[in-house]
Amino acid sequence: KQEVTQIPAALSVPEGENLVLNCSFTDSAIYNLQWFRQDPGKGLTSLLLIQSSQREQTSGRLNASLDKSSGRSTLYIAASQPGDSATYLCAVIGNQFYFGTGTSLTVIP
Amino acid sequence: GAVVSQHPSWVICKSGTSVKIECRSLDFQATTMFWYRQFPKQSLMLMATSNEGSKATYEQGVEKDKFLINHASLTLSTLTVTSAHPEDSSFYICSARRGPDEQFFGPGTRLTVL
Repeated sequence: KQEVTQIPAALSVPEGENLVLNCSFTDSAIYNLQWFRQDPGKGLTSLLLIQSSQREQTSGRLNASLDKSSGRSTLYIAASQPGDSATYLCAVIGNQFYFGTGTSLTVIP
Repeated sequence: GAVVSQHPSWVICKSGTSVKIECRSLDFQATTMFWYRQFPKQSLMLMATSNEGSKATYEQGVEKDKFLINHASLTLSTLTVTSAHPEDSSFYICSARRGPDEQFFGPGTRLTVL
């Protein structure tokens, strides 16, 4: 069964810093990988979707990479802002969505 | 983008009662919808896959008689928590599949059982 791990579980950074969130998975036979943002008590907001044939995707200050062979993905956030504070979830997409445990990010003004 | 709604957004009920949660795809048809449960500070766990016009497929450990799923149309799936108990209190999120690679998630429903 696919297992998805996210490190760190929580992260606190001062505003303006660049940061990297990590996601690792055990089974490299995946279709896609998707990063989501979840605000407290809310649903999921899709950030980036990386197809298995791709190595990275970019959207604004966000860049996500995918290395299927090593079972890793990273989400890079440039010039962090307080509004980026949320929980970030990665989901590995095979025959279903397998979600990681999330990284709770706090950006301090 | 595609929109998925859930109703209600939150519900409080007494132990022993049943609660129905609706999941709707507003601007596309979804033959497949999914129901997830999320406990505080934990990730989403797939409960069941809802297929239009047929029985739902439940994940291991999920009681199908307790969590009744109906997918009567291409835009609506319902999850009914029967005889709810406090341990059923959780955040329930649905998603709807549009095409082979796309799933869109609802805003979630917070269930609190007293």
